[in-house]
Amino acid sequence: GAVVSQHPSWVICKSGTSVKIECRSLDFQATTMFWYRQFPKQSLMLMATSNEGSKATYEQGVEKDKFLINHASLTLSTLTVTSAHPEDSSFYICSASPDRGLLRGEKLFFGSGTQLSVL
Amino acid sequence: GQQLNQSPQSMFIQEGEDVSMNCTSSSIFNTWLWYKQDPGEGPVLLIALYKAGELTSNGRLTAQFGITRKDSFLNISASIPSDVGIYFCALFKAAGNKLTFGGGTRVLVKP
Repeated sequence: GAVVSQHPSWVICKSGTSVKIECRSLDFQATTMFWYRQFPKQSLMLMATSNEGSKATYEQGVEKDKFLINHASLTLSTLTVTSAHPEDSSFYICSASPDRGLLRGEKLFFGSGTQLSVL
Repeated sequence: GQQLNQSPQSMFIQEGEDVSMNCTSSSIFNTWLWYKQDPGEGPVLLIALYKAGELTSNGRLTAQFGITRKDSFLNISASIPSDVGIYFCALFKAAGNKLTFGGGTRVLVKP
C-alpha cells in the first residue's frame, strides 16, 4: 500500500521555540493532505486541510498563525508549531490522498505521527 | 455540528472472545470507515463501508453499515492479544472531504 512518512516521530522542545513536522508521500502524489492533533486518550481532531499549491483551510478554533502549514510540493507538507507552549504538547498526525475530489477511505493514508513535548 | 458517538469507550477482552463496538451519527452519511490505532502510531484502515446494509469482512473483523445510514458496528471474532488497541469509526463530511473520528473504543486485555 501507499506510504506516508512523518518526521520526526518525537520531539522535545523548550517553551517559546518553533518546531517543524514533515509529512511526505513516498510513492504517490499527495494532492490533499490533512493534519490532525490527538491529546492523550482522546480522538483525532482535524486541524487543517491543505491542497498542493493552495493555502491551508483551518478548522474552527485552530490558530493559523500558530500552526503554519506549507504544502508546496505534491509529496511534502510541513506543519510548524510556532512559539510552542506546554499546552501544544500532543500527538500530531498527517494523512494524505492522491485525490482532490470525493475521497474514499482506501485512498487516504496516515503517517505514523509525531509526539511533541514542550517543556 | 455533527455528533458521532462511539461505544463502548473501553472494553476488556479475553483471548478467544468475540467483541463488538458501534457508532451512531446524528445525520445520514454515505461512508463508514473503521480504523485501528496502535500506541504511538497513526490509524490504519480496517474496513470501509459505502452502502446502507453493507456487511463486509476482513479476516476476523466484520463491519456493517446500518440500514438507516446513521450507524455502524464492528465485530472482532475470536480475539487475540494483538487485537489490543484503539478502534475508531470515522465519517467523511461531504464538504471538504473532512474525516471525522468517533471517540474511540479502547480494547484492553483482561488481567
